[in-house]
Amino acid sequence: EIVLTQSPATLSLSPGERATLSCRASQTIANYLAWYQQKPGQAPRLLIYDASNRATGIPARFSGSGSGTDFTLTISSLEPEDFAVYYCQLRSNWPPSLTFGGGTKVEIK
Amino acid sequence: EVQLVESGGNLVQPGRSLRLSCAASGFTFDDYDMHWVRQAPGKGLEWVSGITWNSGSLGYADSVKGRFTISRDNARNSLYLQMNSLRAEDTALYYCAKGLNADYWGQGTLVTVSS
Repeated sequence: EIVLTQSPATLSLSPGERATLSCRASQTIANYLAWYQQKPGQAPRLLIYDASNRATGIPARFSGSGSGTDFTLTISSLEPEDFAVYYCQLRSNWPPSLTFGGGTKVEIK
Repeated sequence: EVQLVESGGNLVQPGRSLRLSCAASGFTFDDYDMHWVRQAPGKGLEWVSGITWNSGSLGYADSVKGRFTISRDNARNSLYLQMNSLRAEDTALYYCAKGLNADYWGQGTLVTVSS
């Protein structure tokens, strides 16, 4: 069973700063890695899929990178609406399954 | 516009059953795999179950295997989750999500298991 570990658990930053979020897999994985944003009282929103592809309507300040066991979500310049919890997720196609990391909370410093 | 609307959540006693539904619209339902994902109060996301477009392959988290059954009715554009032998730890907001990448999610339906 693959485990996804996100770090840090909490990231305290100011608007305009760069955010770098990490997701580490317990073993080498294919690039079936996605990132989600979740705000309080809302469903998760897909940001990045297949490690580096932005989902429809996602601003260019969000980018994903990585391969093997280490993946990164970067927010180049934080906007006020970006303060939220972020989850990484690994998908498997057969049988269909999803594995989530524990989340990183990006909070206002 | 893609819409996923979950229903069926309720307060239920431990050991009882519940059936969740997810009504899909705005996309060709039978083209996509579907998932159920849950979130306990104040906790992270936990995948529960997934089903391929034609119900040919089903997946379950170990925590629900043998107790929950996922199914779909492509003619009705609907996804289901039959939950039996419910436990307190099944208390969560249950989301349905569309596609391999879970690119769209509903707003969830709340299941509370308590005596």
